[in-house]
Amino acid sequence: AQTVTQSQPEMSVQEAETVTLSCTYDTSESDYYLFWYKQPPSRQMILVIRQEAYKQQNATENRFSVNFQKAAKSFSLKISDSQLGDAAMYFCAYRSNAGKSTFGDGTTLTVKP
Amino acid sequence: DAEITQSPRHKITETGRQVTLACHQTWNHNNMFWYRQDLGHGLRLIHYSYGVQDTNKGEVSDGYSVSRSNTEDLPLTLESAASSQTSVYFCASSDPRRAEAFFGQGTRLTVV
Repeated sequence: AQTVTQSQPEMSVQEAETVTLSCTYDTSESDYYLFWYKQPPSRQMILVIRQEAYKQQNATENRFSVNFQKAAKSFSLKISDSQLGDAAMYFCAYRSNAGKSTFGDGTTLTVKP
Repeated sequence: DAEITQSPRHKITETGRQVTLACHQTWNHNNMFWYRQDLGHGLRLIHYSYGVQDTNKGEVSDGYSVSRSNTEDLPLTLESAASSQTSVYFCASSDPRRAEAFFGQGTRLTVV
């Protein structure tokens, strides 16, 4: 079974600074997807960024980028120019080719003005 | 616009009662999932379905059941509610050709 580990229960960053959230996973599959989701206090799960395992190039979405290290099974999220609206719980998720997803326990991000 | 909706948003029930949480999606997705989220934890998979008449157990399926009679709906039933099932429940759907899942707003269930 796949496992996803987020080793940072809480992180904080100063507004306009950069922060990196860590995620490692364990799998025996070669074809899969990885995601970062944001969950604000509203509870809504919002997709931040996705990465296909077969792609070597790291995904980027505006201020959000990932560092995907397939051999090390590492998938970190970098948030640049942090904004107050980035404050939320962030979940790393692994999706197998069959479609099931496994989530980490989350990292609570605080943005200080 | 296509969407996925859960009802009710909040529910309080008594121990031992049967409870059904509704999930309805208009994406026409074959894949549908139910997760629970407890404080300090991520989402854990309860049951999932890859199409009509298909249902499968996830990692925390004890005490829960689902049925899939059409593409749009995957209701989650708690056969006999227990206090340990107090949680926030999320329904999600996905298209196998696209990786990401779309989530409902969540249902907060309290068992007293």
